[in-house]
Amino acid sequence: AQSVTQPDIHITVSEGASLELRCNYSYGATPYLFWYVQSPGQGLQLLLKYFSGDTLVQGIKGFEAEFKRSQSSFNLRKPSVHWSDAAEYFCAVTTGNQFYFGTGTSLTVIP
Amino acid sequence: NAGVTQTPKFQVLKTGQSMTLQCAQDMNHEYMSWYRQDPGMGLRLIHYSVGAGITDQGEVPNGYNVSRSTTEDFPLRLLSAAPSQTSVYFCASSYSRSAGGGHEQYFGPGTRLTVT
Repeated sequence: AQSVTQPDIHITVSEGASLELRCNYSYGATPYLFWYVQSPGQGLQLLLKYFSGDTLVQGIKGFEAEFKRSQSSFNLRKPSVHWSDAAEYFCAVTTGNQFYFGTGTSLTVIP
Repeated sequence: NAGVTQTPKFQVLKTGQSMTLQCAQDMNHEYMSWYRQDPGMGLRLIHYSVGAGITDQGEVPNGYNVSRSTTEDFPLRLLSAAPSQTSVYFCASSYSRSAGGGHEQYFGPGTRLTVT
């Protein structure tokens, strides 16, 4: 079965600092990969997605992610974090009719 | 478009009670799904549907029932509520008949359920 691992449960960064959230997946072929963000008490919003082609994908709110097949990774990055980026971030993978989500990384942004 | 709507937003049940969580979407999506979100466990798929009249089980289907009589609606039924079903429930939908078609899921705002 597919699985998604987000090794960092919680990350704290200073406003203006760069950010990288890690995501590793387990699947034999190239799956479809997603990053979602969840603000407290809200549903999930799509940040970006990777299906094929260019391995560096751009998303909303200044986020980007890079697919690395050799490392089975799809890490999320942002060059300069804003206080409003504080939220829970989920990596997800699908190869058919089921989505698999990681356990999430909670981001705290300090002034 | 309202997107994906869920009702109720909050619900408290006693053990053994049954109830239905409602989910509707107005985007003509074929694929709809239900997840539960528990602390430290991410989102886990309960049931999903690839079209009206077609449903299938996800990772954690026990204690839940679904049906899909229309494209728009995908209700989730708790047959006999248990404290272990205390969770936040999210409904989601997507364009593609198969989520493997790559179309992202759109999520509802969630229902917070407490079973005492």
